[in-house]
Amino acid sequence: QVQLVQSGAEVKKPGASVKVSCKASGYTFTGYYMHWVRQAPGQGLEWMGRINPNSGGTNYAQKFQGRVTMTRDTSISTAYMELSRLRSDDTAVYYCARGPQLRFLEWLQIDYWGQGTLVTVSS
Amino acid sequence: SYELTQPPSVSVSPGQTARITCSGDALPKQYAYWYQQKPGQAPVLVIYKDSERPSGIPERFSGSSSGTTVTLTISGVQAEDEADYYCQSADSSGTRGVFGGGTKLTVL
Repeated sequence: QVQLVQSGAEVKKPGASVKVSCKASGYTFTGYYMHWVRQAPGQGLEWMGRINPNSGGTNYAQKFQGRVTMTRDTSISTAYMELSRLRSDDTAVYYCARGPQLRFLEWLQIDYWGQGTLVTVSS
Repeated sequence: SYELTQPPSVSVSPGQTARITCSGDALPKQYAYWYQQKPGQAPVLVIYKDSERPSGIPERFSGSSSGTTVTLTISGVQAEDEADYYCQSADSSGTRGVFGGGTKLTVL
């Protein structure tokens, strides 16, 4: 069965960086897009970007351009999301989420989600 | 940046029909997707490509599209449908995704 297991909760100071990992199992990691989505406490979902795990190609939301980096390690079927220059309003649960197969033109649909990683930014 | 607009809240009585709208300039060109999220849980896809229903999603969930607005319709609402609902789509370039602000469905 498809599983996305994320790294544990983090507490960071303003200005620091955080790197969240997402280990995939139960499917061919390099065959499906991977999205990153965050949700601040009591707020809505926010799309951060996506990575093509096969090529490493990325697309980021304009809001995070220059501050976010999405990478992957295909040898261990793991995706990473690093967010730099953290601010207090970056406090949120960060999700990795599997998109469709790479062979499909439509890349947005999300069918599996990780358990979420709470990142708290506080001085 | 591109935005999708949803009403913050919708309220219906059990057995009635709930309609949740989502508006965006690129919706005539880009598919929309709908997710249901209950407290403390990850979202669940309920509609994809405007009007398709994933396996396991009850038939009372349906989607439609007209111009710059897409609509999620829940017919015969049940208490278990009380949740937050989010639409998702892409910008006009098709390279960046976006979620609507979410709609809280309350079953009276």
